[in-house]
Amino acid sequence: EVQLLESGGGLVQPGGSLRLSCAASGFTFNTYAMSWVRQAPGKGLEWVSAISTDGGATFYADSVKGRFTISRDNSKNTLYLQMNGLRAEDTAVYYCVRGVVPPAMTRIGWFDPWGQGTLVTVSS
Amino acid sequence: EIVMTQSPVTLSVSSGERATLSCRASQSVSSNLAWYQQKPGQAPRLLIYGASTRATGIPARFTGSGSGTEFTLTITSLQSEDFAVYYCQQYNDWPALTFGGGTKVEIK
Repeated sequence: EVQLLESGGGLVQPGGSLRLSCAASGFTFNTYAMSWVRQAPGKGLEWVSAISTDGGATFYADSVKGRFTISRDNSKNTLYLQMNGLRAEDTAVYYCVRGVVPPAMTRIGWFDPWGQGTLVTVSS
Repeated sequence: EIVMTQSPVTLSVSSGERATLSCRASQSVSSNLAWYQQKPGQAPRLLIYGASTRATGIPARFTGSGSGTEFTLTITSLQSEDFAVYYCQQYNDWPALTFGGGTKVEIK
């Protein structure tokens, strides 16, 4: 069974840092691009960041560019999101998601499956 | 950035009836569109990709259609477990993947 288990969320002050982890199991981790998607309380979904299978290519939403860093350790089947300079508007549940590359495409299409999410709260 | 607009925001439907959800893109996304279902307190689940292909294990009462800028998710004969929030997502514009604001399907 494919599983994605996030950890590392919590309460942090504005300007602070946090590192999220996502432990993957049940599939060959190093053959899938991975991503983070977040959801502010009571709001919709927002794509945050993506990383290629070998970690050599990374992509970010404009809202987090320069503050967040995505990485992966294929030897540990783990995805990370280093979040620096956190703001109140970064408060959200952060989901680890496996990216599916459609046939005839070279980048992520849809997300399947999703982890259960980890809550990040930025507040003083 | 491609803006995805879903309507209505809330849809009240009785069990056993049909629900029709709309998703509109601000510019063409071809058939590069996915639908997700999210129940309270749960992560989203993939329903449809490629605008009309059901994901593994998704019942046949879920049907996706459309291309370009206009898309529809139809749920025939709503079951109790179908009451949830539904999101569309375009993947035509990389890496600026965007989601719609969601449609909540509630019991009438």
